[in-house]
Amino acid sequence: GAGVSQSPSNKVTEKGKDVELRCDPISGHTALYWYRQRLGQGLEFLIYFQGNSAPDKSGLPSDRFSAERTGESVSTLTIQRTQQEDSAVYLCASSLDTANYEQYFGPGTRLTVT
Amino acid sequence: GQNIDQPTEMTATEGAIVQINCTYQTSGFNGLFWYQQHAGEAPTFLSYNVLDGLEEKGRFSSFLSRSKGYSYLLLKELQMKDSASYLCAVSNDYKLSFGAGTTVTVRA
Repeated sequence: GAGVSQSPSNKVTEKGKDVELRCDPISGHTALYWYRQRLGQGLEFLIYFQGNSAPDKSGLPSDRFSAERTGESVSTLTIQRTQQEDSAVYLCASSLDTANYEQYFGPGTRLTVT
Repeated sequence: GQNIDQPTEMTATEGAIVQINCTYQTSGFNGLFWYQQHAGEAPTFLSYNVLDGLEEKGRFSSFLSRSKGYSYLLLKELQMKDSASYLCAVSNDYKLSFGAGTTVTVRA
């Protein structure tokens, strides 16, 4: 596709369940980023991939969060045993490279944990 | 650590000019981005400054002073569609650190 896509667009889940969020970056973009945006707050960096490697996982809030990327393309962000504080919009972005290129954002997945 | 400050809200009249300031204190600096985010939508790129000075792009201009840790985004000839949140983000190698955003409301 022409832009970054994410699925699902909305996800409502019960506390304690696992969720998987998907990101399809722009074709040819080697760098991929995950951010979290809580209501009324700024974007919070979670993790980035250069190719299929994640050199920096320091932004992940806890060990319940994990992410992977395959084929230098699709990435999934998994949240295990969801908590109410995980409710947020999860945004994915991609860029040609990590060297200060413009990041293109997807529409986000709105996660609500009840 | 990263500290990026910008005003929470600004209101202006259609056709007017608004200047959104951003100050930053970060552990590293490679450049500064401005993004626009309409409610319920993803951020979209507006500008990127890496050197000191003013970058002009149509109705939008962005200024950077690295020695002062300061940037501003200038929106001219405001239109109703410019009502949105404007995000200041500092680039340090691969990572973007964002401010909380400034919500601009344009009134007729």
